[in-house]
Amino acid sequence: GEDVEQSLFLSVREGDSSVINCTYTDSSSTYLYWYKQEPGAGLQLLTYIFSNMDMKQDQRLTVLLNKKDKHLSLRIADTQTGDSAIYFCAESPRGGSYIPTFGRGTSLIVHP
Amino acid sequence: DADVTQTPRNRITKTGKRIMLECSQTKGHDRMYWYRQDPGLGLRLIYYSFDVKDINKGEISDGYSVSRQAQAKFSLSLESAIPNQTALYFCATSEPNSGANVLTFGAGSRLTVL
Repeated sequence: GEDVEQSLFLSVREGDSSVINCTYTDSSSTYLYWYKQEPGAGLQLLTYIFSNMDMKQDQRLTVLLNKKDKHLSLRIADTQTGDSAIYFCAESPRGGSYIPTFGRGTSLIVHP
Repeated sequence: DADVTQTPRNRITKTGKRIMLECSQTKGHDRMYWYRQDPGLGLRLIYYSFDVKDINKGEISDGYSVSRQAQAKFSLSLESAIPNQTALYFCATSEPNSGANVLTFGAGSRLTVL
């Protein structure tokens, strides 16, 4: 079955890099997603990667995928106070219903 | 206007009352979902619908029902609310594209059951 795990909290200093980690269990071809939830708002997609890729970069965001260990990470460079939010990792199989399974979310706290 | 609109945004009710949460979308997506968010538990799928005539249970459907009134409308009902249904509820839509299934979420409906 599918299961997505991530740590619940991360605290960083403004200007440092943040690394949010996630592990998943589905061994089939899959898409992996990062969503951001700001206070009082719904989730918004940040980026996604297919499981045949190792890395994807988009401005300050870098996604790394270790397929062997089923480990996904999201690195935010030069973290700002506006990056404070809950970050959700999600996985959806390629095929079938495509319905994503979400992790519990990592609360990122950025302090001056 | 938002792509996915949820009403009400906040609701306080009493145990045993019937509650309906409504969702409408302008994305033109066939797929719609209802999720529940609890602190530390993440998002859990309640119900989903792939088109107007299709309704499917998610992992936590007990105590809930849904209605897909049109492609753009998907409502969630609690027939007899209980306190452990206090949570933040999200509606989402999607249209799978080449395998990726990116969800567009509403802003959420916060429900408190006393």
